[in-house]
Amino acid sequence: IAGITQAPTSQILAAGRRMTLRCTQDMRHNAMYWYRQDLGLGLRLIHYSNTAGTTGKGEVPDGYSVSRANTDDFPLTLASAVPSQTSVYFCASSVGENEKLFFGSGTQLSVL
Amino acid sequence: GQNIDQPTEMTATEGAIVQINCTYQTSGFNGLFWYQQHAGEAPTFLSYNVLDGLEEKGRFSSFLSRSKGYSYLLLKELQMKDSASYLCAVRDSNYQLIWGAGTKLIIKP
Repeated sequence: IAGITQAPTSQILAAGRRMTLRCTQDMRHNAMYWYRQDLGLGLRLIHYSNTAGTTGKGEVPDGYSVSRANTDDFPLTLASAVPSQTSVYFCASSVGENEKLFFGSGTQLSVL
Repeated sequence: GQNIDQPTEMTATEGAIVQINCTYQTSGFNGLFWYQQHAGEAPTFLSYNVLDGLEEKGRFSSFLSRSKGYSYLLLKELQMKDSASYLCAVRDSNYQLIWGAGTKLIIKP
């Protein structure tokens, strides 16, 4: 693999179910991010990690959790999905916390 | 509050020039980014401005005026493949990225 890989590409989920979106990068970037993109809105930061072992809350963290056990992986978990979490989710990484972002191909999530 | 304004949609003709504007009101400024996003795909980095002036990169140029809270992306010799959304993002005083909603550019033959 090269760059950032997200899985699944798309998912339909029943409300109340738990779901983990996977994100793996092979660029050895220190910083990783999770964004959601909704029609008519700018990208909104959910959670971020400046380095392995640390995480932080973004603009819209409620209902989501993340972990960063190692440099390469940054999974995003929805503990109990709700319809308002229907969105396209992008994982991104950067060499440092203030550098340009490289994005994964996204996960289209529909919560019914 | 913090705000990034971009036109929602623009239309231009193949071979022409188009300018996409971005105005911002943020708590501090630590750089402005432009990203390109084709429909159904991920955003990709185009340019970065932190000082006033014009940055040129091939057919694309980006301009910044910090005193006016204003930037534009200039696309020359438009090609059909330039049909995409263009996202403006500003890094504020806390080094958080604030994103505009994007400008959808439609290129017509």
